[in-house]
Amino acid sequence: NAGVTQTPKFRVLKTGQSMTLLCAQDMNHEYMYWYRQDPGMGLRLIHYSVGEGTTAKGEVPDGYNVSRLKKQNFLLGLESAAPSQTSVYFCASSLRLVNTEAFFGQGTRLTVV
Amino acid sequence: DQQVKQNSPSLSVQEGRISILNCDYTNSMFDYFLWYKKYPAEGPTFLISISSIKDKNEDGRFTVFLNKSAKHLSLHIVPSQPGDSAVYFCAASAYTQKLVFGQGTRLTINP
Repeated sequence: NAGVTQTPKFRVLKTGQSMTLLCAQDMNHEYMYWYRQDPGMGLRLIHYSVGEGTTAKGEVPDGYNVSRLKKQNFLLGLESAAPSQTSVYFCASSLRLVNTEAFFGQGTRLTVV
Repeated sequence: DQQVKQNSPSLSVQEGRISILNCDYTNSMFDYFLWYKKYPAEGPTFLISISSIKDKNEDGRFTVFLNKSAKHLSLHIVPSQPGDSAVYFCAASAYTQKLVFGQGTRLTINP
């Protein structure tokens, strides 16, 4: 049982380039999330989804887009990468939206130069 | 506005002693609290949680205490082991709000 899997694990982008981070979960969870982790800032919610075909903004959504075409997948896109988007990105999923634990992927370390 | 705060960026404890990690929150609507543990190059993993209707929850060596009047929760690890060295995040949620995380505390257990 893989849980939550993120692809890729590492990536270096040049400013202005675009990329998509893929998240896949095999727990049949309705809810999925993208977080970014920065030193001294903890984990901040970028976007989330409450089900297939739905997405919503989190705390820091600017510069990112997401899509949830299939229940098991949640994609995070950067259309024009900026150095401020250098971070570690975590995908997570949960059975419920609140009062429950979320299961996290192993993270994607993104560097924008 | 940091709704969940972990004011100690790091903590060093001797093996076998008690580790106490602290977390404060400002939003009185939070009613569910969690602790996550994170090793380098891995994602956070769920450790223990507590509902606002309780003031204590235990799971083996880990105990979480909640003081609602002070808007404070703490994680106690007894006895501390070298494998407990990690970054610990506290998190909180409310019916209308997704998980909000603190900044994390790096715990180092010294042999």
